Parts: sequence; C-alpha cells; structure tokens
Amino acid sequence: SQQGEEDPQALSIQEGENATMNCSYKTSINNLQWYRQNSGRGLVHLILIRSNEREKHSGRLRVTLDTSKKSSSLLITASRAADTASYFCATDDNYGQNFVFGPGTRLSVLP
Amino acid sequence: ETGVTQTPRHLVMGMTNKKSLKCEQHLGHNAMYWYKQSAKKPLELMFVYNFKEQTENNSVPSRFSPECPNSSHLFLHLHTLQPEDSALYLCASSQELAGGLGGELFFGEGSRLTVL
Repeated sequence: SQQGEEDPQALSIQEGENATMNCSYKTSINNLQWYRQNSGRGLVHLILIRSNEREKHSGRLRVTLDTSKKSSSLLITASRAADTASYFCATDDNYGQNFVFGPGTRLSVLP
Repeated sequence: ETGVTQTPRHLVMGMTNKKSLKCEQHLGHNAMYWYKQSAKKPLELMFVYNFKEQTENNSVPSRFSPECPNSSHLFLHLHTLQPEDSALYLCASSQELAGGLGGELFFGEGSRLTVL
C-alpha cells in the first residue's frame, strides 16, 4: 500500500520565491527521502532524514519531519527556473524492506 | 551520471515481440530494483533483488520476467506485452535494502517503452 502522499500535486511560482511541498505517510518509518525528477529522466536523490531527526539542510533545501503527524516538508528557497521538476517523497514500506514513493509534486518555476 | 546505466533508452515493440531491458550499476551495491512509471501514477515497485536473490515480486504479470545474474546486472525480459504496459521503466540500486540503516536509491535514466 502507498506510504507517501505529496501535496500539492502541482505548484507554480516565480523565480526567487520559496517553494514548499508536503508529504504525509501512514505508518511508522525508519527514514524519509526526497527525490527530484526532470521530465522523462531518472530520479535523483536530494536528501534523507531519519526518524529521529527533525530538520535537515542541504544548500537551498530544507526538510522537516514530524513523526507525530506523520508528515514531512521540503522547502526550496530562492527558487530558480532550473528547479522545475517533479519532487517525490519516499519512505521505507511497512516491512522496512523497500522504498515506496508518493505521486509527486510537479513544480514549475517561472522566469 | 549516477553510476546506473540503462539500455536501451527508448524501445518500441509490438505485442508479439520479445525484448529485454538491461541495467548495470558500477557502485558496488547489493540491492537492485525495477520500477514502472506510468503517466499520472506513482512509481510502482516491480521487483527487488538483494545479493542476486529476488526478495520482492509485487504481483507483476508473468509477461515481465526479471533476471539478476550478478549483483551488478539486472535484466527485465519482456514478451507478449500489452499497450497499457507502455511506460518508463526505471532501474535503481542501493547499498542495502530500505529497512534499518536504509540509504538512498541511485536511479538510471530509464527505458521508455512503447507497445504498439
């Protein structure tokens, strides 16, 4: 069964603005990850946050995790046109064996 | 360059054809995966191999047949496919399976399959 569910499904912003995407999941996890996918390409790992962590930064990316609410957010600051892509959250599944992806948020950054 | 190479990048086949997708990773990882990505649907996990042994078959139809001859190579053999099987097929690898320490997935660029 699907673990992660991103929100919103699509987001359109102007260059320079911040973009926030959310991910909710259903059962307890060991870690949560965010990936990016340019159209028709493979996914690229952005950041991993473990269940005992609350916040993590990587460059212009900031990820938070709230295990009590079973949710995570990805913030991209000072967005650029090159950030236009789909963003997915992934969690380990109920058995801790495999990665399960949500449907993704499609981000468009307008120049 | 992620260290995971998929070939071919594009494939068009008829419903009676037999073809194969190939994935190779140069990362020394122990786990390899096939995912299917259809338009407007989440990534669907198809198969998982860990140390060359299949650990997951996510109710995939038998017209898809995986093969993992060693930890670096993964194949997806295709035969008598249907038009609804048209999708982007993504291969990925990870150092270990997701559970426990987990770790990131490294994806190939995908094989875009069109079934006529």
